[in-house]
Amino acid sequence: SQTIHQWPATLVQPVGSPLSLECTVEGTSNPNLYWYRQAAGRGLQLLFYSVGIGQISSEVPQNLSASRPQDRQFILSSKKLLLSDSGFYLCAWSEGRINEQFFGPGTRLTVL
Amino acid sequence: KQEVTQIPAALSVPEGENLVLNCSFTDSAIYNLQWFRQDPGKGLTSLLLIQSSQREQTSGRLNASLDKSSGRSTLYIAASQPGDSATYLCAVKRRNTDKLIFGTGTRLQVFP
Repeated sequence: SQTIHQWPATLVQPVGSPLSLECTVEGTSNPNLYWYRQAAGRGLQLLFYSVGIGQISSEVPQNLSASRPQDRQFILSSKKLLLSDSGFYLCAWSEGRINEQFFGPGTRLTVL
Repeated sequence: KQEVTQIPAALSVPEGENLVLNCSFTDSAIYNLQWFRQDPGKGLTSLLLIQSSQREQTSGRLNASLDKSSGRSTLYIAASQPGDSATYLCAVKRRNTDKLIFGTGTRLQVFP
């Protein structure tokens, strides 16, 4: 069966510090991978998605970036965090034509 | 541009009631629709996925219907229980894209 992991689970960072969030998927090959952000009182916002190694599509221009160094690894990064980057970050995967998406447990990021 | 709306935004009911949660979308050219559950501070759990060619899907006490022509889906929860308390999100996938468009959710509370 497939599982998806995210870490860290929670993170408190000062403004201007770097960020690295990691997501890995087990039990599947060549999945589509997604990064979402869920801010307080707002819906899910798609940030990046990837259909293969090294292939990243950005949905929202901002100070975040994503990378996919391995088939089942997806990393969300920032060089300098902003207060507005606070939120709940969710990674998801899907495969095949039906593209049912499955989500990880999330990372709660607080920028102070 | 596809927009997804969920009504009501919040719902509080006594245990045992049968519930209907609504999801509306503006562009009927969807490929599928997915219902999710999100517990506080957790990731999303996929509940049901309905393909555009289907009218409904059932899983246990949950039944989701789809009327693509009118741009509506409903999630029916039979004999609600306190454990059903969560936020329920619907999301649509358009053809020729791997991305989901999410609604803002319905927060459900079932009290004993």
